[in-house]
Amino acid sequence: DIQMTQSPSTLSASIGDRVTITCRTSQRISTWLAWYQQKPGKAPKLLIQKTSKLESGVPSRFIGRGSSTEFTLTISNVQPEDFATYYCQQFSSYPITFGPGTRLEIQ
Amino acid sequence: QVQLLQSAAELKKPGASVMVSCKVSGFNLSTYSVTWLRQAPGQGLEWLGWISTYDGDTKYAENRQDRVTLTTDTSTNTAYMELKSLTSDDSAVYYCARARGSALTYYLDYWGQGTLVTVSS
Repeated sequence: DIQMTQSPSTLSASIGDRVTITCRTSQRISTWLAWYQQKPGKAPKLLIQKTSKLESGVPSRFIGRGSSTEFTLTISNVQPEDFATYYCQQFSSYPITFGPGTRLEIQ
Repeated sequence: QVQLLQSAAELKKPGASVMVSCKVSGFNLSTYSVTWLRQAPGQGLEWLGWISTYDGDTKYAENRQDRVTLTTDTSTNTAYMELKSLTSDDSAVYYCARARGSALTYYLDYWGQGTLVTVSS
């Protein structure tokens, strides 16, 4: 199975900040990576698929980049509704695997 | 409007079984695969298995395949996940999600609201 890591595990930010979360994979996955946002008590929500493709309705301040084994999710101009936990997921090979999550908290 | 509506929370005793349902609307279950995952309190997401109603194929996580069974009922557009021989380690929120992509490699574009399963004597 492809192992996933995310850094940092927790990120403190203020409204208006620009923050970046990094996701690394144990094998090359081209650009077969998705990002999810999860708020407490809610199901994860798909933000980005295939590294950089925003889902409909997702604000353009969410930017996904990367390839091979290193990927980033950048949130520019962090808004109050962005404080949540973010997960990356590879869909390059079976079985799909997830990163451990990065919690974005208010500074 | 795509929706996945899961069954209510369950409280089970150790050794029992639980079945969680996932009724979908806004799309036909026969044209999309469904994945099941779970999330223990304060933990990350664990993939449990995948089912394709197109050909009835199923895949299970290696460490769960002897206890998890996935089924679907296309007449009611409902997917089911049964987990047997429950232990306290199975206490978690269980999610169904619609799979997009190829047969075994996919992302999850719509999720159910989650079903809390608590295992306690």
